[in-house]
Amino acid sequence: AQKVTQAQTEISVVEKEDVTLDCVYETRDTTYYLFWYKQPPSGELVFLIRRNSFDEQNEISGRYSWNFQKSTSSFNFTITASQVVDSAVYFCALSKLGTYKYIFGTGTRLKVLA
Amino acid sequence: ETGVTQTPRHLVMGMTNKKSLKCEQHLGHNAMYWYKQSAKKPLELMFVYSLEERVENNSVPSRFSPECPNSSHLFLHLHTLQPEDSALYLCASSQVKGDRNSPLHFGNGTRLTVT
Repeated sequence: AQKVTQAQTEISVVEKEDVTLDCVYETRDTTYYLFWYKQPPSGELVFLIRRNSFDEQNEISGRYSWNFQKSTSSFNFTITASQVVDSAVYFCALSKLGTYKYIFGTGTRLKVLA
Repeated sequence: ETGVTQTPRHLVMGMTNKKSLKCEQHLGHNAMYWYKQSAKKPLELMFVYSLEERVENNSVPSRFSPECPNSSHLFLHLHTLQPEDSALYLCASSQVKGDRNSPLHFGNGTRLTVT
């Protein structure tokens, strides 16, 4: 069975702090995709990153970075120097290649305080 | 045109009403989805259409009826809903080809309140 666990329900940080959002997944598939989405108060889920299970390189995009570790089945997301605009609910998701099923975690609500 | 457009943004309906949610995607994707997002619950997949054929139906009550007339449009017809159906309904699209999945692209959602 596939499962995505985001154990942190809510995190509050002060602006400019670094914050890491955890994502742990379970799958028996050898090939799969992992995703992160951001859902601001407006409601739309915004795609942030897709990672193929073959590619364990970490990725950095501006203040965002992702740490994919297959050995621990984790795909953590770090925001450096957080800003108030980063306040949102962040979802991690898993998908088997070539299927229509995207398994979402329950999300982590991030509050960045000015 | 934005990628995935949903209308209306907000909808209030009584339990005896009939209404429809509309979704349109401008991304050339071959799959479209309806998700339900309730407070303090994970995203629930309701329906998936691939090339206008329903490929997934996750035990959704018959008071929700999807329709996919073409690969760009998806509807969710609602009738005799219950208050517990109040939620954010999200439409998404993706491109699934062989063993490659594009990310899901979501619309802004319709906030539905059933009174």
